[in-house]
This record gives sequence, structure tokens and C-alpha cells, in this order.
Amino acid sequence: AQSVTQPDIHITVSEGASLELRCNYSYGATPYLFWYVQSPGQGLQLLLKYFSGDTLVQGIKGFEAEFKRSQSSFNLRKPSVHWSDAAEYFCAVVPGGGSQGNLIFGKGTKLSVKP
Amino acid sequence: GAVVSQHPSWVICKSGTSVKIECRSLDFQATTMFWYRQFPKQSLMLMATSNEGSKATYEQGVEKDKFLINHASLTLSTLTVTSAHPEDSSFYICSARAGGPNNEQFFGPGTRLTVL
Repeated sequence: AQSVTQPDIHITVSEGASLELRCNYSYGATPYLFWYVQSPGQGLQLLLKYFSGDTLVQGIKGFEAEFKRSQSSFNLRKPSVHWSDAAEYFCAVVPGGGSQGNLIFGKGTKLSVKP
Repeated sequence: GAVVSQHPSWVICKSGTSVKIECRSLDFQATTMFWYRQFPKQSLMLMATSNEGSKATYEQGVEKDKFLINHASLTLSTLTVTSAHPEDSSFYICSARAGGPNNEQFFGPGTRLTVL
């Protein structure tokens, strides 16, 4: 079945450590790819997106993500995590790209940050 | 730019009553608006998609008579939960899309609905 998979439900990292959140998709054509962050009780904020071109995408708050077609992955990374990064992170895709498709979300990864 | 607001941010109502949630695009015209529902510790589930001036398209399993969606203008969509029951308690999030090739949706801050 077509899906978006975030294998890690909950990750805890120490402040200052590096972070990688995984996302895999199972759609035939390369979809549009997104990462969103959600703080408790809040809506979603777009961190970054990939449509085409350079497979390493820079986003806000020091985040980046790399699209790897061969692995059907779009993992989110940050070299040094801050306590304020603690939140829920959602990977999302628009299958097949295009302007009319709907977002399909992964189940999310909760990030906790240890002092 | 690209700000989406929701009102109210939270609401508590009695079982059997109806609740209306507003979603507004403050600085752009939204040709399409989306309504999502999010259960605790879970992902966002798309409920329906609405285009200005036309009927909403509901996802499978979503009762259109229970969740009434109106998209009367390019900056406002409303979701009315009719005859609310405790199982309707959830976090409802809207998003808006201006159109064009990039397909970016801008999300509202969400509305927490609690039905007693």
C-alpha cells in the first residue's frame, strides 16, 4: 500500500547533539516532500520542502533534509539540537507531485531534548 | 505573509449541541481549504477539501451531514460539528492553499474541541 513511514515514534537526544529523523515513502513517482513541526497544542509549521533539483534542502531553524530516490527517503537532520526543538515532527508527501494533490502525513516522531 | 487563523482556539460544549469553527486566510486568497482532525499522539487525518463556492469533498468515512463545511469566500471556511458527541472531541486543524504550482498549504493553529 502507498504510505509515508516515520519509523521512530519517539526520539530523545541531548542538547547540542546531532539529530536525524527518518522518513520513507512508497509511491511510484517522486512525490513532493515536506517536513512540518508541531509544538504542543499548536498547528503545523513548514520546516522545508522538496519539489525537484538539488536533493539537499535547507530549511528554517537550522534544519536540512536530503532526498534519496534510491532509498525512497527524505530524512531530516540538524547538526546541533536546541532545547526549543522539542516537538512533534511530521513528514508529508503529495503523491506524484503536482499542484492539486493532497498532503499525506506520516504518523510523526516526537522529539525530546535532554539538557 | 501566508497566515491562517482559526477561531475559536478551544471550545467546550455539551453533547447534542453544534459548534462552528472558522478558518481564515489573513493575507492571501485561498482557492482551496482543508480540514484535518488529529487525535492525541496521532497524525493528521484529512477530513475534507473545499474549494471556494463549491461543495466540499469528504474523505471516506467522514460523515458530511455531521461535519458541515462551508467555503463561502476566498478567505473563509467554516466547519460545523452538528449534534456533537464526546467521540467528536479532537483537535481540528485547517489549512489553506493559494493555488499555483508549488502546492504549499499554510496551516492554522488548530481548535481544541471538547464535548462533555
